[in-house]
Amino acid sequence: GESVGLHLPTLSVQEGDNSIINCAYSNSASDYFIWYKQESGKGPQFIIDIRSNMDKRQGQRVTVLLNKTVKHLSLQIAATQPGDSAVYFCAENVSFKAAGNKLTFGGGTRVLVKP
Amino acid sequence: DTEVTQTPKHLVMGMTNKKSLKCEQHMGHRAMYWYKQKAKKPPELMFVYSYEKLSINESVPSRFSPECPNSSLLNLHLHALQPEDSALYLCASSQSGQGTSLTLAKNIQYFGAGTRLSVL
Repeated sequence: GESVGLHLPTLSVQEGDNSIINCAYSNSASDYFIWYKQESGKGPQFIIDIRSNMDKRQGQRVTVLLNKTVKHLSLQIAATQPGDSAVYFCAENVSFKAAGNKLTFGGGTRVLVKP
Repeated sequence: DTEVTQTPKHLVMGMTNKKSLKCEQHMGHRAMYWYKQKAKKPPELMFVYSYEKLSINESVPSRFSPECPNSSLLNLHLHALQPEDSALYLCASSQSGQGTSLTLAKNIQYFGAGTRLSVL
């Protein structure tokens, strides 16, 4: 289940089950969204991305869903494995023509996979 | 190869010291970024370099001074830091330097492992 408090929200999931991580974003001008995975002692690692004119994109064992009406993004991980234990961040991108891209990260969700 | 290399991995410095963090990528990326990450928090953008020019400065204090000597290197010069500046400093790069490309892959930011900085 999920717990929210002073620490990172945590999702505990049984190995082999599917995981769903949710994210709310705030900026209507965001044109691109990315999910990152961050393991302890490492930098964020790209998982999957989606453009704002899409509502679903699938990768290997992962699916990202985008609902622009309610500004909601989700990451689904199929058949969760112990190696999936990490903190997951969604990030929204706003592009500035001359200045480049500005990525704003959500608060993060810790996923703990139980054997 | 999607590697962004950051040195040093760990740095301890006093409030009067001057030090530099280094970041290197050889993917031909034209945009490079500095982020600051406190424990249990998401990364926060500090600076964006696009085609070797500073394009975004997120109101970062002047005790942090970025430098982009060439398209592969990004430095962050530190001077007179405060204990609250202790954090993980992350460097990232992306292929696209301007706007969101129609090719999704060009927008992906690839991160280094970070430099863990402690200010005493």
